[in-house]
Amino acid sequence: DSGVTQTPKHLITATGQRVTLRCSPRSGDLSVYWYQQSLDQGLQFLIQYYNGEERAKGNILERFSAQQFPDLHSELNLSSLELGDSALYFCASSDNKGINYGYTFGSGTRLTVV
Amino acid sequence: EDQVTQSPEALRLQEGESSSLNCSYTVSGLRGLFWYRQDPGKGPEFLFTLYSAGEEKEKERLKATLTKKESFLHITAPKPEDSATYLCAVPFNNAGNMLTFGGGTRLMVKP
Repeated sequence: DSGVTQTPKHLITATGQRVTLRCSPRSGDLSVYWYQQSLDQGLQFLIQYYNGEERAKGNILERFSAQQFPDLHSELNLSSLELGDSALYFCASSDNKGINYGYTFGSGTRLTVV
Repeated sequence: EDQVTQSPEALRLQEGESSSLNCSYTVSGLRGLFWYRQDPGKGPEFLFTLYSAGEEKEKERLKATLTKKESFLHITAPKPEDSATYLCAVPFNNAGNMLTFGGGTRLMVKP
């Protein structure tokens, strides 16, 4: 157990639907990062939050949004889902704004859009 | 342009056959190079951080080294349980502290 908790582990939904992925960071970590991993794209950075505020954005689609709550858990919202959104979605956390010791990843949410 | 590239994409080894994985990077002012191991369907697991050319770190059968242009992950006498995808990552200067990952090397060790 890495200390980063992601729920649900698996999600199957239809095109056009909206889903919410949840992440609880490791205790004490203020930064949360969301990554998408598909077979042909590898690990792609989506967005980072630090202590409730957005810090950095990657190639995140406008249909996707995220937030970090006062208790530091984070949610990634995916809407108007398309078949191509099927992927593993990982959350990672780190202990400060920096990355001196790398990220700790959760076990991921596997999203299947049918 | 900042880049991180891994080679080979896949590597098949016999148990006990040592080899090396490569991670080439182009980034000004390197602020660390990170190695992760990822098992199928699981999240990447942190292995090493290297900060300066000449630095080396070891863990069991793995040794990571760093030069000014690339990093190597040396695997000595691998076992089947070393089979996994190995990822390297660097923070890009125009992207805050966000780690950008290479495409990974899928290692398969046969008994």
